[in-house]
Amino acid sequence: EVQLLESGGGLVQPGGSLRLSCAASGFTFSSYAMSWVRQAPGKGLEWVSVISGSGGSTYYVDSVKGRFTISRDNSKNTLYLQMNSLRAEDTAVYYCAKDLTQWLVQNYMDVWGKGTTVTVSS
Amino acid sequence: DIQMTQSPSSLSASVGDRVTIICQASQDISNYLNWYQQKPGKAPKLLIYDASNLETGVPSRFSGSGSGTDFTFTISSLQPEDIATYYCQQYDNLPRTFGQGTKVEIK
Repeated sequence: EVQLLESGGGLVQPGGSLRLSCAASGFTFSSYAMSWVRQAPGKGLEWVSVISGSGGSTYYVDSVKGRFTISRDNSKNTLYLQMNSLRAEDTAVYYCAKDLTQWLVQNYMDVWGKGTTVTVSS
Repeated sequence: DIQMTQSPSSLSASVGDRVTIICQASQDISNYLNWYQQKPGKAPKLLIYDASNLETGVPSRFSGSGSGTDFTFTISSLQPEDIATYYCQQYDNLPRTFGQGTKVEIK
């Protein structure tokens, strides 16, 4: 059974940093691209970033470019999201999701974790 | 970026009713469209992929259709456990984008 478990969320001040992790099990981690999707309180879903199975290709939504970095450690079956220069509008539940294939394009999220909550506030 | 416009934003229907949600893309996305279900406090769940294919294990009362820019999601007979918010999402181009969601309630 595919399982994704996010961790690392918490309360951080504006301008601060946080690193989210997503531990994966039940599938060959390196064979699949992985995504991060977030949901602000009471709002809809916003796709944030994707990384290819090898880790060699990444893509970000404009609102986080230059501030967030997605990465993965295939030896540890773990996905990361390094979040710097955090803003109040980054407050959200962050979900990691497994993609259907290893590629970035024309690919979609088929299994989701339960999410971890990030709150940016002074 | 491709904009996804979903309607209605909310609806209320009776158990057994047929429910339809519309999603329109700002440009041709072929059939690269998914529908997700999100129950309160839970993660989204994939229901329909490639516009019309039912994910394994999803009840057959859920269906999807469409291609190009216009898509439809249907629940043929609404059940109490279908109370949720439903999102369309395109994956033709990056960034992947979602519709704003449709909240389905029981009348």
